[in-house]
Amino acid sequence: EPEVTQTPSHQVTQMGQEVILRCVPISNHLYFYWYRQILGQKVEFLVSFYNNEISEKSEIFDDQFSVERPDGSNFTLKIRSTKLEDSAMYFCASSGPRGSGGNKHNEQFFGPGTRLTVL
Amino acid sequence: GENVEQHPSTLSVQEGDSAVIKCTYSDSASNYFPWYKQELGKGPQLIIDIRSNVGEKKDQRIAVTLNKTAKHFSLHITETQPEDSAVYFCAALDTGTASKLTFGTGTRLQVTL
Repeated sequence: EPEVTQTPSHQVTQMGQEVILRCVPISNHLYFYWYRQILGQKVEFLVSFYNNEISEKSEIFDDQFSVERPDGSNFTLKIRSTKLEDSAMYFCASSGPRGSGGNKHNEQFFGPGTRLTVL
Repeated sequence: GENVEQHPSTLSVQEGDSAVIKCTYSDSASNYFPWYKQELGKGPQLIIDIRSNVGEKKDQRIAVTLNKTAKHFSLHITETQPEDSAVYFCAALDTGTASKLTFGTGTRLQVTL
C-alpha cells in the first residue's frame, strides 16, 4: 500500500540554525501539506501546496518557513532560523490523485513525522 | 475560521465494550469530517470519514454519525480490542474554499482487559 515517507525521523538543532525536513508524498497525489503537533497538543495546519505554488497557509507559516518541491518526488519544509517554540512533530500529508475533482483535499494521508528538537 | 471541539479528552473502556467520541464544529460550510487514529510515535492514520450529504457511515466495528443541524459528529467503536488503544482525532474541512483540516484536541482511548 503506498504511503507517505519522511526523513529524518528525529532532528536536533541549535536555535538560529536552518533545518530542512523532507517528505516523499504518495506518487500519484497532487496536493501536499505540512502540519505540526506540539507535544500533547492537537495537529495544526501549516501550509498546502499544489502545482508548485502555496495554496493556503496558516498564521504559523511566517517568513521563516518555506516549502519546495525540488524534483518530481520530494516535498520539503525549510525553517530558516529555528526558535525554541518550533520544537514539535512535523507531519507531511498528501491527497488528491488525478481525477479526484472536488474531493481533492479529502483523504489526506499522513507520514510518520519528523520530531524537531530545538535547543 | 473553523473551530473543532472534541470530548472526552480521555476514555477508558473494558475490552468488548463500546466507545463513543464526540466532536462539534463551528463553520456550517464544513462538509468533510475525517477521523484519525494516532498510535504512539506514529503519524495520524485515517480510519473513517463522512461527507455532509450522508448521516451515517459504517466500516466493520467503526461507525461515524453526522448531525449537520446541530453541527456535531461522533465516532463509535464497538467490541473494543486492546489494539484500539490510541489517540483519536476528529477533523473538519470545507472542501469548497479551503484545503486545511482543522483538528479537534484528541481523545486518548484506553481499552483495558
